[in-house]
Amino acid sequence: DAKTTQPNSMESNEEEPVHLPCNHSTISGTDYIHWYRQLPSQGPEYVIHGLTSNVNNRMASLAIAEDRKSSTLILHRATLRDAAVYYCILRVTGGGNKLTFGTGTQLKVEL
Amino acid sequence: NAGVTQTPKFQVLKTGQSMTLQCAQDMNHEYMSWYRQDPGMGLRLIHYSVGAGITDQGEVPNGYNVSRSTTEDFPLRLLSAAPSQTSVYFCASSYGHQGGWETQYFGPGTRLLVL
Repeated sequence: DAKTTQPNSMESNEEEPVHLPCNHSTISGTDYIHWYRQLPSQGPEYVIHGLTSNVNNRMASLAIAEDRKSSTLILHRATLRDAAVYYCILRVTGGGNKLTFGTGTQLKVEL
Repeated sequence: NAGVTQTPKFQVLKTGQSMTLQCAQDMNHEYMSWYRQDPGMGLRLIHYSVGAGITDQGEVPNGYNVSRSTTEDFPLRLLSAAPSQTSVYFCASSYGHQGGWETQYFGPGTRLLVL
């Protein structure tokens, strides 16, 4: 399975945008890029996913590099409730819905 | 919809005891799975099911059994608990599993301590 690389931690101030990077240089053409987050003492929560084009939803935006070897999750205005571990995961088409979690990025949001 | 529910929330077992972790979903999802999360680590897949009567092993299946007799329920059985099975267990479900785009819904987790 293709792997992803994320920074261990990032910090942000409340109300400011946050850009969470993810490298996936061995991604194949049919792999979807998924982002989940896990708030303290909770189960993971789906954030967003994409294949080739940039995606927006009510929670975040996903910017995918043209060569698809990296992507960035964008939180437009971070709040204290966004403090969580963010996981970037590649989903293989036809490979079942198995999610391979790394250690993710711990996002700290300060006032 | 209640989504994905898990019981119990907390459990303490002694080494060698058996127990069943319950998972249920009311979204008519065909795919269900179990993960465990050890401190400071990401989740690891234990077992999964693509529909009633069909189950398969994930990354760390040893010491666990599953069955899927209905679409709604996917219990996880610990046959003889060991301290290495101390962890937080999450159940998840999704509508499909083959397209690559299906999103998963996770339960709140069961915290298990094996003494």
